[in-house]
Amino acid sequence: NAGVTQTPKFRVLKTGQSMTLLCAQDMNHEYMYWYRQDPGMGLRLIHYSVGEGTTAKGEVPDGYNVSRLKKQNFLLGLESAAPSQTSVYFCASSYFSRPGANVLTFGAGSRLTVL
Amino acid sequence: SQQGEEDPQALSIQEGENATMNCSYKTSINNLQWYRQNSGRGLVHLILIRSNEREKHSGRLRVTLDTSKKSSSLLITASRAADTASYFCATSGGGADGLTFGKGTHLIIQP
Repeated sequence: NAGVTQTPKFRVLKTGQSMTLLCAQDMNHEYMYWYRQDPGMGLRLIHYSVGEGTTAKGEVPDGYNVSRLKKQNFLLGLESAAPSQTSVYFCASSYFSRPGANVLTFGAGSRLTVL
Repeated sequence: SQQGEEDPQALSIQEGENATMNCSYKTSINNLQWYRQNSGRGLVHLILIRSNEREKHSGRLRVTLDTSKKSSSLLITASRAADTASYFCATSGGGADGLTFGKGTHLIIQP
């Protein structure tokens, strides 16, 4: 039981390049999330999905796109990377332990550097 | 914008002492959760307290919630070196639209 797996763990991009981060969960969770973590800023929600085929914008969605073609996978894409997107990206999935109690399980993170 | 704000930003104590960190938030919530993050790792869920609860315990953790003051505290008793980590509070409105995290308290336990 791997939980939430993120690939790649590290990536260096040049400004303008594109890339996709992959998140996979094996817990049959309905909900999945992408956060970014920057020093002194905590975690900020980029996009999320409440089920296969659905996506929604979070707090900081600009410059990112997502897709949830399969329930277990949630992809985060950067079409044209910018230095401001240098960050650590975390994927999370969740279940409701009881009504209203959305508990998140996180992946180990993907560190992205844009030069 | 951040919903929760932890205080202090950093805390260093001796092993065996108790550690207390606080969280304040701005809007009404369904529940508040605390997560731990070890260096270079993902966040791990510690404890959840619902808006109609005032105190909750889990092992060496004690969480309080004061909805009138929009604040919560996390107490770790008898601290251990392994408790060294960053601790984040996160608030939920009860929906599936994710949690809103604070900036975290970095806790260092001195052996």
